[in-house]
Amino acid sequence: AQSVTQLDSQVPVFEEAPVELRCNYSSSVSVYLFWYVQYPNQGLQLLLKYLSGSTLVKGINGFEAEFNKSQTSFHLRKPSVHISDTAEYFCAVTRALSGGYNKLIFGAGTRLAVHP
Amino acid sequence: DGGITQSPKYLFRKEGQNVTLSCEQNLNHDAMYWYRQDPGQGLRLIYYSQIVNDFQKGDIAEGYSVSREKKESFPLTVTSAQKNPTAFYLCASSINGGRGNTIYFGEGSWLTVV
Repeated sequence: AQSVTQLDSQVPVFEEAPVELRCNYSSSVSVYLFWYVQYPNQGLQLLLKYLSGSTLVKGINGFEAEFNKSQTSFHLRKPSVHISDTAEYFCAVTRALSGGYNKLIFGAGTRLAVHP
Repeated sequence: DGGITQSPKYLFRKEGQNVTLSCEQNLNHDAMYWYRQDPGQGLRLIYYSQIVNDFQKGDIAEGYSVSREKKESFPLTVTSAQKNPTAFYLCASSINGGRGNTIYFGEGSWLTVV
């Protein structure tokens, strides 16, 4: 069964510094991977997704992620963060359900705190 | 603008009461979902629906019920059988249940038991 592990529950960083949020997944089949962002008291917004093709995926707000099949990882990166990037970030993988349906399995989340 | 509307944003429930959370989408999506979010636990799937008049239990369906009488609406009822209902509830939708399709989320509803 697919699962997702986000290796850091909290990541503090100074403004304009680079950041990496780590995500590992386990799956015995091909995977589709997602990163979502959640600002306080709001729903989730898709940052980027990997379906196939190039292993480097670019998303919104300057974020990118790299799919590494050998290390079963999908780490999220940004070269220079802003205060406005302070939020919770969720990594997710698709899991097949009965009847041809699919659902997202989410990691526990990483809280990114950007300090001035 | 197209999107997913959840209401109410905040809801208080007394012990033993049923409450219903509303979810409406105007994205013309076939698939709709309800997730529950607890601090430090990510999101867990409660129910999902691919078409009108059909829905399936997710991982934590006990104490919850849903209906899908219209394509755009997927209300969630939290019954008195749900022993620990205080949480943030998120409704979501996607064009269909395909693996690579983006799932879009509403703004969420806070439910607190008093």
